Order: sequence, then C-alpha cells, then structure tokens
Amino acid sequence: GQQLNQSPQSMFIQEGEDVSMNCTSSSIFNTWLWYKQEPGEGPVLLIALYKAGELTSNGRLTAQFGITRKDSFLNISASIPSDVGIYFCAGGYGNKLVFGAGTILRVKS
Amino acid sequence: AAGVIQSPRHLIKEKRETATLKCYPIPRHDTVYWYQQGPGQDPQFLISFYEKMQSDKGSIPDRFSAQQFSDYHSELNMSSLELGDSALYFCASSSGDRGSTDTQYFGPGTRLTVL
Repeated sequence: GQQLNQSPQSMFIQEGEDVSMNCTSSSIFNTWLWYKQEPGEGPVLLIALYKAGELTSNGRLTAQFGITRKDSFLNISASIPSDVGIYFCAGGYGNKLVFGAGTILRVKS
Repeated sequence: AAGVIQSPRHLIKEKRETATLKCYPIPRHDTVYWYQQGPGQDPQFLISFYEKMQSDKGSIPDRFSAQQFSDYHSELNMSSLELGDSALYFCASSSGDRGSTDTQYFGPGTRLTVL
C-alpha cells in the first residue's frame, strides 16, 4: 500500500529559527494535508493542498504540493515556543489518508 | 466554529470487557472516519462511513464494529478488549465532493486504557 517517508524525525531548534520538513512517497496523491498534534490531543489541520504545484500559506506556515504529486513540504518561519508538537503529513487518495510517521519539533527559548 | 466531538475523553476497561466510543461530526459533515493511534505512532485508519453506509475498511479487528446513525453520529464498539487495544482513538469528519479527497477534521480523541 501507499507509504509516506516523513523527515526529519525530530528537530530541536532555537526560537526564531526557520523550520522545514517534508514528506515523500513513491505513490501519487490527490491531496496533501499537514496536521499538528499536541500530547493527548487530536491532530489539528494546519494546511490543506489540493493541486500539484500549489503553494499555500497560513500565517508563519507555508506548504507546497509537489509538482509530481509525490511529495510535499512544510516550512515554519520564525519559530516560537508554542510551535512545539508533532507535525504529520497526510497524503489523500480516494477518500483515504495515509499518514507520515511525524516530525517532533522542540523549540528552545 | 463547531468541531468534532468525541466521548468519553478517557475510558478505563478491564480485559475482555466491551467499550463504546461515540463521535459527533461537524454539522453538515456526512462522512466519519475512525483511527487508532498507539504511543509514538501515526494514526492508523480503522473504518469510515458515508451517509450511514460503511465506505472503507482499514486495519479494524473483527472484535470491533462501528456504525453511523441517521443523525450522522457514529459509534465504535469494541468487544473482548485486549491490553493491546490501549490507545488513542480518533474520529474525523469530512464533507465534500465525492469525486475528490475530502479534508478530514479530527476530534480530540478518546484515550482507552485496558487493564
């Protein structure tokens, strides 16, 4: 079945730094979604991408749907302490989502 | 804006007992999904319903069943609970063009602990 490779697995950065994470797959997806999850809570949708090549921003977050439809990246600019959490990419095909393994983000203030 | 509601938020059961988890989707959402998330893992898809009919099935054990009711809420029934069933269970809902991949919005989850 479809699998996503999400990297990096974890990041420990200084407050104010920019962050970049990505997901790649050998399969094509119709949708790329990025979620953030905090401990014991449900994933919260950050950005949804629906078209190959689409670049979308949400505040300090920017994500792109790769032109080959097999990858996506998420950038966070000027990180702040409340950015800590686990970030998941999810590729959509049909009515299903496949999740990456997550990127754990820690911010040092 | 209204979000997905799940109840209970926490549940403790003994082995071999049964559990029922409830999910109330975002208003006007017609599709409900159930996921299981173990510690340190990504959410694993269990099952989904569209307009009260099962639409997709993932890695849901035979001991589990689910349904979607006329008001679109859904219940996940879990029987003969095992220690390995301890996990976070999420419900997500969506609404959209059936020809496209719907954007799923997740609830806060139910933490099930089996002792």
